[in-house]
Amino acid sequence: AQSVTQLGSHVSVSEGALVLLRCNYSSSVPPYLFWYVQYPNQGLQLLLKYTTGATLVKGINGFEAEFKKSETSFHLTKPSAHMSDAAEYFCAVSEAGGYQKVTFGTGTKLQVIP
Amino acid sequence: SAVISQKPSRDICQRGTSLTIQCQVDSQVTMMFWYRQQPGQSLTLIATANQGSEATYESGFVIDKFPISRPNLTFSTLTVSNMSPEDSSIYLCSVRGLGETQYFGPGTRLLVL
Repeated sequence: AQSVTQLGSHVSVSEGALVLLRCNYSSSVPPYLFWYVQYPNQGLQLLLKYTTGATLVKGINGFEAEFKKSETSFHLTKPSAHMSDAAEYFCAVSEAGGYQKVTFGTGTKLQVIP
Repeated sequence: SAVISQKPSRDICQRGTSLTIQCQVDSQVTMMFWYRQQPGQSLTLIATANQGSEATYESGFVIDKFPISRPNLTFSTLTVSNMSPEDSSIYLCSVRGLGETQYFGPGTRLLVL
């Protein structure tokens, strides 16, 4: 069975500050890992994903995440927060190989303070 | 990536009634999914919509409450039957694309009074 834990349901950062959203996963086989963003009154948009290969993954809007197998983590970062980054962020995991179910974390709401 | 549209985008319904949500994809896809996102919560998978056969439901969800149709590879419907206020949620259609990525529609925001 797989699971995802997102630490911190709400995170506040100042505009221009580092954004760090934490995600830890549990999977019995090599995982595929995803970060999605949900803006108010919208669906989910894929930010970035890790499947195989390079463990540092770059996504849209300046976000990146690093897969650390030893720590079972896939934290999302952005060097400098922008007001438009205010949204809810979901980490998700699926198990590699075939069509596997995707499990979502409980989400982290990011607030950016001017 | 796939472009997914949903109808209606939002609705307010009376308890005891039913609502059918439509999901249209701009390309043929094998895997289509329906999720529920209750207020302030994460996404919960309701079922996988299979083309040409019955949907596969997750634990806690039943066909009588959430009947699903999948007549072809680009379209699916989810019906929320005999609604109660507890069914107030965002319902999201999703498809599986290349590299195990899931793409989501904009969602249907349902309020049951």
